[in-house]
Amino acid sequence: RKEVEQDPGPFNVPEGATVAFNCTYSNSASQSFFWYRQDCRKEPKLLMSVYSSGNEDGRFTAQLNRASQYISLLIRDSKLSDSATYLCVVNIMDSSYKLIFGSGTRLLVRP
Amino acid sequence: GAVVSQHPSWVICKSGTSVKIECRSLDFQATTMFWYRQFPKQSLMLMATSNEGSKATYEQGVEKDKFLINHASLTLSTLTVTSAHPEDSSFYICSAMTGAGNTEAFFGQGTRLTVV
Repeated sequence: RKEVEQDPGPFNVPEGATVAFNCTYSNSASQSFFWYRQDCRKEPKLLMSVYSSGNEDGRFTAQLNRASQYISLLIRDSKLSDSATYLCVVNIMDSSYKLIFGSGTRLLVRP
Repeated sequence: GAVVSQHPSWVICKSGTSVKIECRSLDFQATTMFWYRQFPKQSLMLMATSNEGSKATYEQGVEKDKFLINHASLTLSTLTVTSAHPEDSSFYICSAMTGAGNTEAFFGQGTRLTVV
């Protein structure tokens, strides 16, 4: 079983739609959680951290359920510029801290 | 945010040669840097954790003699792909954290390696 699992998509949605991505992780000792965005042939960039209380940044809302080991990302009012791959990332403590990436969910927003 | 610079951004080399990739933290000291590899349409796979002044920690299945990592200073880590082969062609990305634990990781721009 992968340490971090995501639906690869692609999610093909019209502009203005609301879309939700899910992610599950297997290591219960995971320390912190993030959503990163990666554009084609570019490095990942942090979209937002994810907290148990849930957090919102503009059109983006992230939720964490530690009991279910489940993370979500909701994007409202999708824009064409939101088209990218969204990576669920978990920070675990092994012999040191390290980030483990999900395989990513591809989003295509069409006009 | 913090800046991590990776060089070169792309490189083409002949099979059997070695390639060095540099990763620098420009405005902070990174005691730990990470090296990832990403094949097309796949996720980033952690190759190794680079610790300043000590040996790197390699993930299972990553050959330490093939992927040499040196972290000689708090702002520079290098990855050398030795005796490169076409199957080593990939996107290599480094990252660094500004602190331990629950902190953001900053990524270099990545290096696209093509071995011909």
